[in-house]
Amino acid sequence: EAGVVQSPRYKIIEKKQPVAFWCNPISGHNTLYWYRQNLGQGPELLIRYENEEAVDDSQLPKDRFSAERLKGVDSTLKIQPAELGDSAVYLCASSLAPGQDRRNEAFFGQGTRLTVV
Amino acid sequence: SQQGEEDPQALSIQEGENATMNCSYKTSINNLQWYRQNSGRGLVHLILIRSNEREKHSGRLRVTLDTSKKSSSLLITASRAADTASYFCATARDDKIIFGKGTRLHILP
Repeated sequence: EAGVVQSPRYKIIEKKQPVAFWCNPISGHNTLYWYRQNLGQGPELLIRYENEEAVDDSQLPKDRFSAERLKGVDSTLKIQPAELGDSAVYLCASSLAPGQDRRNEAFFGQGTRLTVV
Repeated sequence: SQQGEEDPQALSIQEGENATMNCSYKTSINNLQWYRQNSGRGLVHLILIRSNEREKHSGRLRVTLDTSKKSSSLLITASRAADTASYFCATARDDKIIFGKGTRLHILP
């Protein structure tokens, strides 16, 4: 079974340019997460989807970041315009709905390493 | 925002020794999870412990959870070179998974 697939793996852009990341979650996983991870830090949640609905986007900088999950499957995360401080690894993860036993471990993609110059 | 906080931030031990990492958190949880991240790679789920459980084992991993102290520990026994990685605790509440800053574990040959 394929895991979470992200593309591209690496992206270098100039500041003020737009950039988009794509994520294909594990088939059947209702929940999709986008995290940002700075060097030496843990992942920080940007947005969480339940199917196609963004149920938690409180940490998403909405002035420049946007995300969508059409048809409740693939998702894209966009930054426009990018700033130097956006350089980080952007991780996508998916999980099953937790169910009655409250198990909801997340499965992560390899991430997209963004460098803004 | 990050809820969990791991201790220590970095740990170096000899191969074959046991490694213990601790995690403290602030709010109530449904479960607590530990993940491993090798350099430049994605995170891999290691083990999950529910809020009504106190201890869990998986291979060389042992996790404990004390909800009264809002703390958890991860023990890796008989460490190997391949265990060199960053380890993160993550608290889960209402399907929201929040990660700590991690412990960087280095196994010395």
